[in-house]
Amino acid sequence: AQSVTQPDARVTVSEGASLQLRCKYSYSGTPYLFWYVQYPRQGLQLLLKYYSGDPVVQGVNGFEAEFIKSNSSFHLRKASVHWSDSAVYFCAVRRTGNYKYVFGAGTRLKVIA
Amino acid sequence: EAAVTQSPRSKVAVTGGKVTLSCHQTNNHDYMYWYRQDTGHGLRLIHYSYVADSTEKGDIPDGYKASRPSQENFSLILELASLSQTAVYFCASSGTGSNSDYTFGSGTRLLVI
Repeated sequence: AQSVTQPDARVTVSEGASLQLRCKYSYSGTPYLFWYVQYPRQGLQLLLKYYSGDPVVQGVNGFEAEFIKSNSSFHLRKASVHWSDSAVYFCAVRRTGNYKYVFGAGTRLKVIA
Repeated sequence: EAAVTQSPRSKVAVTGGKVTLSCHQTNNHDYMYWYRQDTGHGLRLIHYSYVADSTEKGDIPDGYKASRPSQENFSLILELASLSQTAVYFCASSGTGSNSDYTFGSGTRLLVI
């Protein structure tokens, strides 16, 4: 069965520092992978997605992620975080030919001054 | 602008009562979904639908019913609300193929007392 693991429930970083949020998935085929962000009292918004091709995908607001098949990982990165990046970040996987997503438990990011 | 609108934004229900959560999309998407969000569990799929007048069970359907009377509208029904159904509920819609990214509503906070 598919699963997504985000091992860090909470991450705190200083403004201007680099960021990596970890995501590992379990899926036997080639997955479609996503990162979503949820700001307080809002729905989830798509940050970036990987379907195929270049394993490094660029998203909005300077975020990027790298698909590493050998490690079953899809970590999210940002070179320099801003206080407005404080939010909950979800990694998700979708099977090819199936439009249902499986979400990780989320990582709550806090950016401090 | 295409959107997913949920109502109500929040609700307090009594145990054993009936609750209906509504979702309306203007994306012209075929698929609609209901997820619940609990701390530590991320989002879990309750029901989904890929065509009007048809619904499918997701991963945690027990205690919930769904109704899709039209392409635009998708309701989640709790016939006998229970304390364990206190959560935030998200509706989402998606197309197919290259248009299969999810668009989420802002969520409904349900408190069952």
